[in-house]
Amino acid sequence: AQSVTQLDSHVSVSEGTPVLLRCNYSSSYSPSLFWYVQHPNKGLQLLLKYTSAATLVKGINGFEAEFKKSETSFHLTKPSAHMSDAAEYFCVVSEPSGTYKYIFGTGTRLKVLA
Amino acid sequence: GAVVSQHPSRVICKSGTSVKIECRSLDFQATTMFWYRQFPKKSLMLMATSNEGSKATYEQGVEKDKFLINHASLTLSTLTVTSAHPEDSSFYICSAREAYYNEQFFGPGTRLTVL
Repeated sequence: AQSVTQLDSHVSVSEGTPVLLRCNYSSSYSPSLFWYVQHPNKGLQLLLKYTSAATLVKGINGFEAEFKKSETSFHLTKPSAHMSDAAEYFCVVSEPSGTYKYIFGTGTRLKVLA
Repeated sequence: GAVVSQHPSRVICKSGTSVKIECRSLDFQATTMFWYRQFPKKSLMLMATSNEGSKATYEQGVEKDKFLINHASLTLSTLTVTSAHPEDSSFYICSAREAYYNEQFFGPGTRLTVL
């Protein structure tokens, strides 16, 4: 069975410093992996996705993530945090089977300090 | 990119009434749509998978008679919360699977408040 673990429920960074949000997955197949962001009382916005192409994936708003099969990780990074990055972030693994389900991580709340 | 809409965005109803939420894929056809529920400060919980022209597949613990799902066309799925109670208050999010990119596109969500 597939699963995804977000290692930190809360992360605080100062504005202008790097962001690291950690995600580990478990999958018997070659997974598709996604990072979504959700601002308060809003829907989900796709930041980036990995679908077995390049292992370093660049997304929107300066975010990127690296797929590391040996470590079963897909950590999200950004070189310099902005106040507008404060939000909830979800790591998602997709089942490649016929159900096409998404398995969501528990989320990481990012706080950006001025 | 593919766009998914939900209507209404916000609904308040009295306990015991039924509420219908619509999910539409605006610029693509979706044979598969999904319904999620999100509690405050929690992750998304998959409620059911909706397949066009067939019965929905519900996740374990989700009452199918309580949450009626209909996927009558390739662009529309509806979730009806029957005899709603305050504990049904939540944020409901739908998604539609776009087959070419094999990716789900999410609607903006519906905030349901049951008084």
